[in-house]
Amino acid sequence: AQKITQTQPGMFVQEKEAVTLDCTYDTSDPSYGLFWYKQPSSGEMIFLIYQGSYDQQNATEGRYSLNFQKARKSANLVISASQLGDSAMYFCAMRGSMDSNYQLIWGAGTKLIIKP
Amino acid sequence: DGGITQSPKYLFRKEGQNVTLSCEQNLNHDAMYWYRQDPGQGLRLIYYSQIVNDFQKGDIAEGYSVSREKKESFPLTVTSAQKNPTAFYLCASRLVGGMNTEAFFGQGTRLTVV
Repeated sequence: AQKITQTQPGMFVQEKEAVTLDCTYDTSDPSYGLFWYKQPSSGEMIFLIYQGSYDQQNATEGRYSLNFQKARKSANLVISASQLGDSAMYFCAMRGSMDSNYQLIWGAGTKLIIKP
Repeated sequence: DGGITQSPKYLFRKEGQNVTLSCEQNLNHDAMYWYRQDPGQGLRLIYYSQIVNDFQKGDIAEGYSVSREKKESFPLTVTSAQKNPTAFYLCASRLVGGMNTEAFFGQGTRLTVV
């Protein structure tokens, strides 16, 4: 069975520092994709970054990058130069190729609070 | 602007009532999803639809029903059979394609049983 684990229920980080949010996964699919979403207090889920299991390079999107370690089955999100607006819940999710409907499996999330 | 609109933002339900949550998208996406979110948990899939007039149960479909009569609309009914409906409900849509297509979400509906 596929599973996503986010071991940090909450984190406090000083503004302008970099922050790493952990995500480990378990799957037997040979091909899969990993997603990170941000959920501010307003409630909507905002897509941040995607990493495919066969991608040769770690994904980057602006201040977001993904530290993808396939052998360790981890896909940690790195936010550089954190800002107050980064305070939110962050979710890691996975989609496997063996699910014909490509459903997303979600972690429990990490609550990130940026301190001024 | 293209996007997903959920309404209402807040909804209160009395015991034994059915209520319907609205979800409309103008992104021309084929696939639409309903998720439930409880505190401290990830999203759990209730129902999904990949094409008009067809939908599939997710992991926690009991006590819920949906319809997909139009591509743009995917309403969710929370029936009286759902014993613990108080939660945050999120609707999403995406292009049907490969694994890398992200889902787009609405702003959610917070349902409370009174």
